Amino acid sequence: DVQLLESGGNLVQPGGSLRLSCAASGVTLNNYFMTWVRQAPGKGLEWVSDITVGGGSTYYADSVKGRFTISRDISRNTLFLQMNTLRSDDTAVYYCAIRRGPSFGYTEYWGQGTRVTVSS
Amino acid sequence: EIVLTQSPGTLSLSPGERVTLSCRASQSIAGSYLAWYQQKPSQAPRLLIYGASVRATGIPDRFSGSGSRTDFTLTINRLEPEDFAVYYCQQYDSSPVTFGGGTKVDIK
Repeated sequence: DVQLLESGGNLVQPGGSLRLSCAASGVTLNNYFMTWVRQAPGKGLEWVSDITVGGGSTYYADSVKGRFTISRDISRNTLFLQMNTLRSDDTAVYYCAIRRGPSFGYTEYWGQGTRVTVSS
Repeated sequence: EIVLTQSPGTLSLSPGERVTLSCRASQSIAGSYLAWYQQKPSQAPRLLIYGASVRATGIPDRFSGSGSRTDFTLTINRLEPEDFAVYYCQQYDSSPVTFGGGTKVDIK
């Protein structure tokens, strides 16, 4: 059974930093295209960042480019999202997920999410 | 980027009814690379359909997807109480992948 467990969400002041983690079980993350998707309160789903199989390439939404960094630790089978210079519009539930299939892949497995609140 | 527009925004229906949800793309999606997700309150989204019409593992056959290019549809036959939720479409033909704004199906 594939399980993704996010952690690290918290209340942080504007300009602050957080690192989100996504621990995987039942699957080897390095073999999959991994992604972070967020959902602001009462809003829809927004793609945030991708890391390709093997971690060779990373991609970011324009709204987070230069502030967020996606990475993974193979030995810990864990995905990370380092978030710097946080803004109020980064407030959201952040989901890690596995994408599979052709082209850029559909999102097959989702974690339960971790809540980030940016407020003074 | 491909913009996905879902309609209607909200549907109020009764259990047992049939519902059709629409997802329209701003440009043609090659290879039918479109997926549908269901999300219930305080839960993560769940994959229902990929490749426009292929049901994901464990999804009941009352859910079906169709369409191509710019017009896609999710149909739910005989709504069950557990089907009242928000439904999102997502294209994965081009980067960045994008989601529609969602359609909420609630109980009349």
